[in-house]
Amino acid sequence: DAGITQSPRHKVTETGTPVTLRCHQTENHRYMYWYRQDPGHGLRLIHYSYGVKDTDKGEVSDGYSVSRSKTEDFLLTLESATSSQTSVYFCAISDQRRSPGELFFGEGSRLTVL
Amino acid sequence: KQEVTQIPAALSVPEGENLVLNCSFTDSAIYNLQWFRQDPGKGLTSLLLIQSSQREQTSGRLNASLDKSSGRSTLYIAASQPGDSATYLCALRSNQAGTALIFGKGTTLSVSS
Repeated sequence: DAGITQSPRHKVTETGTPVTLRCHQTENHRYMYWYRQDPGHGLRLIHYSYGVKDTDKGEVSDGYSVSRSKTEDFLLTLESATSSQTSVYFCAISDQRRSPGELFFGEGSRLTVL
Repeated sequence: KQEVTQIPAALSVPEGENLVLNCSFTDSAIYNLQWFRQDPGKGLTSLLLIQSSQREQTSGRLNASLDKSSGRSTLYIAASQPGDSATYLCALRSNQAGTALIFGKGTTLSVSS
């Protein structure tokens, strides 16, 4: 158990509304990631963080922003949700201490944009 | 651009059979490769991690191999069981730490009793 908690686990919202997903970790890991998983596309990286206030874009970052004001929380925000952002969102951490580079994932947040 | 391919997309086997799942990649300059299992509606569970300098890793009935020169990794499952039914994903990291994993689309395994 890598101590990762995602919230909310399920959310239904309407097009144009803002949405924030939260990833919380309890083990002080430096690296955190947000992925989305879609049928036919697999898992794709949205944004990642390599420290407090240090973030970078991934493959599918358009329409998303992130923030990391403290080590334990990595927030993913959809400023104005669109139907194409209906997906399952996974947060992951990289445990550099136990096994360098190994990623561990949260249980996912299922977002439906109507 | 690194690409990761998993073939076949789906596989059905009877219980007790030994099987091999394949993962191929286009750029041999990798940092590590990781195999995951995903059950329907669930998150990803890490199975095995192979560092670039390693050739294989074993955990119980699972054995993962890595051949960078040929751009291939295999996941061997011995004496398959119905509980092994899941989607298996391979993913690799091209650079140390900072960059994230690049995923294949997975092989969905069904083991019948």
